[in-house]
Amino acid sequence: QSALTQPASVSGSPGQSITISCTGTSSDVGGYNYVSWYQQNPGKAPKLMIYDVNNRPSGVSNRFSGSKSGNTASLTISGLQGEDEADYYCSSYTSSSTPNWVFGGGTKLTVL
Amino acid sequence: QVQLVESGGGVVQPGGSLRLSCAASGFTFNNYGMHWVRQAPGKGLEWVSFIRYDGSNKYYADSVKGRFTISGDNSKNTLYLQMNSLRPEDTAVYYCAKARGQLERRPFDYWGQGTLVTVSS
Repeated sequence: QSALTQPASVSGSPGQSITISCTGTSSDVGGYNYVSWYQQNPGKAPKLMIYDVNNRPSGVSNRFSGSKSGNTASLTISGLQGEDEADYYCSSYTSSSTPNWVFGGGTKLTVL
Repeated sequence: QVQLVESGGGVVQPGGSLRLSCAASGFTFNNYGMHWVRQAPGKGLEWVSFIRYDGSNKYYADSVKGRFTISGDNSKNTLYLQMNSLRPEDTAVYYCAKARGQLERRPFDYWGQGTLVTVSS
């Protein structure tokens, strides 16, 4: 069982927008603005898409955006494209015991 | 450009040991923290360990504490993970990842391609 809760799958048609939620606790998502999101294609390493809740690294499309409310963070992808089909993982820094990072179980995005 | 290349994975019997290496290039290695993250076959990501840019602090997931040791060699720009008392549940692809900063609260901004560790008799 993962520390953060994500839906197992989401889907959308090209051009639509989708949102993936990531629910934690006040010890992780709710307690810090250190939520990040990763895209992983089959057999590949994860790629950082969003960091510190709502910041995009250089080179990441502005179709990707992040937000947070309380203990739940969200990743929104607008103008869906076929290349967005992948697994997405959220992650949060936590210091509930010792400093460490927790991940969500991952969400499979299908572009219909 | 940033490159991280892991090596050292393989098949090992339960109770055995293995040392993973991660050769880094394209950035000033001793200016950034480094992580190890693993992914069991068909499963999600699990954070394993972190070392601060200067090696002053090291942190471990409870699942590996006391069995795994993270270290770095700034002269070789290389990160290591010494894994002892391996268990079947340690079977995973192990990724090294550069932190987006010096400290433990910074996320993973570049990842290696991963190295597979299989613990089986």
